[in-house]
Amino acid sequence: GAVVSQHPSRVICKSGTSVKIECRSLDFQATTMFWYRQFPKQSLMLMATSNEGSKATYEQGVEKDKFLINHASLTLSTLTVTSAHPEDSSFYICSLRRGRAEGYTFGSGTRLTVV
Amino acid sequence: DAKTTQPPSMDCAEGRAANLPCNHSTISGNEYVYWYRQIHSQGPQYIIHGLKNNETNEMASLIITEDRKSSTLILPHATLRDTAVYYCTDDTGNQFYFGTGTSLTVIP
Repeated sequence: GAVVSQHPSRVICKSGTSVKIECRSLDFQATTMFWYRQFPKQSLMLMATSNEGSKATYEQGVEKDKFLINHASLTLSTLTVTSAHPEDSSFYICSLRRGRAEGYTFGSGTRLTVV
Repeated sequence: DAKTTQPPSMDCAEGRAANLPCNHSTISGNEYVYWYRQIHSQGPQYIIHGLKNNETNEMASLIITEDRKSSTLILPHATLRDTAVYYCTDDTGNQFYFGTGTSLTVIP
């Protein structure tokens, strides 16, 4: 599968500040990446589909103005949690894949804690 | 949203085969069956996938019923490191949605 790098792995921020999470495709040009969120003891929830050169597609119930996604290059997608609040504390994970014949490759995740 | 159903938890003795079932009640002809697992606090990991035929790789075997409405992931000799949450899915090639998964605990 593809090789994905996600960072930071952990971040603690103060309430009201913004946090940027990066997801990089290291071995191929990804036109599409995906962002997930996972709360403790729950499954992963798809937040949005990141499209290179165009606007992201958000899942129902996900605030696009709060979770800003930028996919400016074929190897980098970023998720910015704006004006973070404690309820945004979660595990955020990106993913991508080269083609349908392969499985999705996931980043190692970012543990966000808002205090 | 996820279209598969799995038992919430299973136990397996170390060294024995772990058989994890999945129901794909709404799967269509062009949808692949994929399996992933997530070890605690890590990103999910791809295990195996198939369309109609049974598949085997270095990690596991995948058995798909003839009507494709169910599949079984087989870990032939479970180890403690296989303790994880296992997810199955029908893959249309577009968005990917996770179900609730099966939490497998391998017992020494």
